[in-house]
Amino acid sequence: EVQLVESGGGLVQPGGSLRLSCAASGFTFSSYWMHWVRQAPGKGLVWVSRINSDGSSTSYADSVKGRFTISRDNAKNTLYLQMNSLRAEDTAVYYCAREMAMGSGKDYWGQGTLVTVSS
Amino acid sequence: QSALTQPASVSGSPGQSITISCTGTSSDVGGYNYVSWYQQHPGKAPKLMIYDVSNRPSGVSNRFSGSKSGNTASLTISGLQAEDEADYYCSSYTSSSTPYVFGTGTKVTVL
Repeated sequence: EVQLVESGGGLVQPGGSLRLSCAASGFTFSSYWMHWVRQAPGKGLVWVSRINSDGSSTSYADSVKGRFTISRDNAKNTLYLQMNSLRAEDTAVYYCAREMAMGSGKDYWGQGTLVTVSS
Repeated sequence: QSALTQPASVSGSPGQSITISCTGTSSDVGGYNYVSWYQQHPGKAPKLMIYDVSNRPSGVSNRFSGSKSGNTASLTISGLQAEDEADYYCSSYTSSSTPYVFGTGTKVTVL
């Protein structure tokens, strides 16, 4: 059974840092591109970042470029999102998701982890 | 990259059919056959309902169908059921510096 389990969320002050993790199981993690998607309270889904299967290529939303870094450890079947210089507007539930094939749909999602940026 | 445009809400009675539109540009919806649709119940993670414009993942009811014409994609739910009440989001690959974009979301209400 495919499972994605996020962790690392919590309360952080503006300007602070946080690292999210997404533990994958039930599939060959190293074969799939992975994404982070976020959802602010009561708002819609927003794409955040993507990494290819071997970690050599990444993309970011303009709103997080230069502040967030996506990475992966295929030996540990884990996806990461390092978030620096956090702002109040980064407050959201962060989901990791698996991409079926390049450009295609995201067929498995984690349960999400809440990040709250507040003083 | 702006969000794709969806109606804020759509409603229908049980058994009816409804259609949700998703309007973008030639740089996203109109330029690629990489439109997907997601269903999200309150407090839950999104669920993939349609991928690559019109394909259904295994396990998704055939009451859900997708299509595209020009810069607008559509999700049709036929034989509306109470369990279909949820938020629905479209998404597309794009040629911009932000390579993926979601729609604004549509709340479906079953009357």
